[in-house]
Amino acid sequence: AQTVTQSQPEMSVQEAETVTLSCTYDTSESDYYLFWYKQPPSRQMILVIRQEAYKQQNATENRFSVNFQKAAKSFSLKISDSQLGDAAMYFCAYRAPNFGNEKLTFGTGTRLTIIP
Amino acid sequence: GAVVSQHPSRVICKSGTSVKIECRSLDFQATTMFWYRQFPKQSLMLMATSNEGSKATYEQGVEKDKFLINHASLTLSTLTVTSAHPEDSSFYICSAGDRGFPLGEQYFGPGTRLTVT
Repeated sequence: AQTVTQSQPEMSVQEAETVTLSCTYDTSESDYYLFWYKQPPSRQMILVIRQEAYKQQNATENRFSVNFQKAAKSFSLKISDSQLGDAAMYFCAYRAPNFGNEKLTFGTGTRLTIIP
Repeated sequence: GAVVSQHPSRVICKSGTSVKIECRSLDFQATTMFWYRQFPKQSLMLMATSNEGSKATYEQGVEKDKFLINHASLTLSTLTVTSAHPEDSSFYICSAGDRGFPLGEQYFGPGTRLTVT
């Protein structure tokens, strides 16, 4: 079974600085999808960024980018120019590629605090 | 991004009663919907997966008769907690996906806080 590990329960960063959240996963598949979701205090899950495993290029969405290392099974999230609104729980998630098996496997989450 | 609504946002019910939670995809057709439970300061725990017009697939350890899921249309799924007890108090979140989404991403509703007294 696939597993997703987030080894940092909590992280903090100074406003305007850069922070990297770690995520590793275990799978025997060669093709799959990876996601980062953000859950602010409102508890609404928000999709931050997505990555296809067969694409070597790292995904980027404005201030958010990933460092995808397929061989190492690592999928870290970098947040540049951190803003107060970035404070949230961040969950890394894995999805297998097959139809009929679209469920997400989540990590345990990293709570990010932004220091003004 | 796609929008998913959930109703109600909060509900308080008495022990032994049933409560229904609705999940709707507002601007897309959801071929698959998922129901999660989240305890405080924990990750999301998948309860079941439902495809429109077919029976839900429950995760191991989730009681089918207690958590009834119906996915009657491509935009609506419901979760009914039957004979609720205080231990069922939790935050319930739905998500929806469509096969047309390129990476199979899911979009989440805002969640429902259930309190059973």
